[in-house]
Amino acid sequence: SYELTQPPSVSVSPGHTASITCSGDKLGNKYASWYQQQPGQSPVLVIYQDTKRPSGIPERFSGSNSGNTATLTISGTQAMDEADYYCQAWDNSTRKFVVFGGGTKLTVL
Amino acid sequence: QLQLQGSGPGLVKPSETLSLTCTVSGGSISKNSYSWGWIRQPPGKGLEWIGNVFYSGTTYYNPSLKSRVTISVDTSKNEFSLKVSSVTAADTAVYYCARHSYDSSGYHLDFWGQGTLVTVSS
Repeated sequence: SYELTQPPSVSVSPGHTASITCSGDKLGNKYASWYQQQPGQSPVLVIYQDTKRPSGIPERFSGSNSGNTATLTISGTQAMDEADYYCQAWDNSTRKFVVFGGGTKLTVL
Repeated sequence: QLQLQGSGPGLVKPSETLSLTCTVSGGSISKNSYSWGWIRQPPGKGLEWIGNVFYSGTTYYNPSLKSRVTISVDTSKNEFSLKVSSVTAADTAVYYCARHSYDSSGYHLDFWGQGTLVTVSS
């Protein structure tokens, strides 16, 4: 089955740029989405179709996807961005199911 | 604004069937380009997709859970449901319902319910 791999943790200083990667076989041929999950809260969609931001998501969140890697970039990272982040793609084989990465804990320190 | 509200028992005994319902308000469940699904998260762990259902009744499941899972839709009540049979402690998790926005290139999950903690214990 299709698998997505994320680093367990990423650290960034306030005001700097954080990059979180998501790797999967030929991931660039699929659409990637990203979700932010604060402790005790439901996940929130922050990027879909590789680069699009839903209404209400700050411009500092951006995404890219090429080759085997999708990347979530947070520019000018703020303390409120400290959270778990999950990538997601769709296995469009005959089974057609959603796949999540294992998640990355972003620490702002 | 679309809202999803999950409901169901918070405690289920081992070997029994877990049943949850997600009620959709602020929009119709019977729309093309959307499906409705379930995701779970064991305590301290990551997200696991369970499956989804279109308003037509077409379903897709995570292969790892397919033998124990049934997802159904009731368009007259604007709700959809999840059943997981023969549960064990490994099924203890927060269960989320979510809208899946769909096009030919795949899904993204744009609206989520609040999550229901289900504990499997005798």
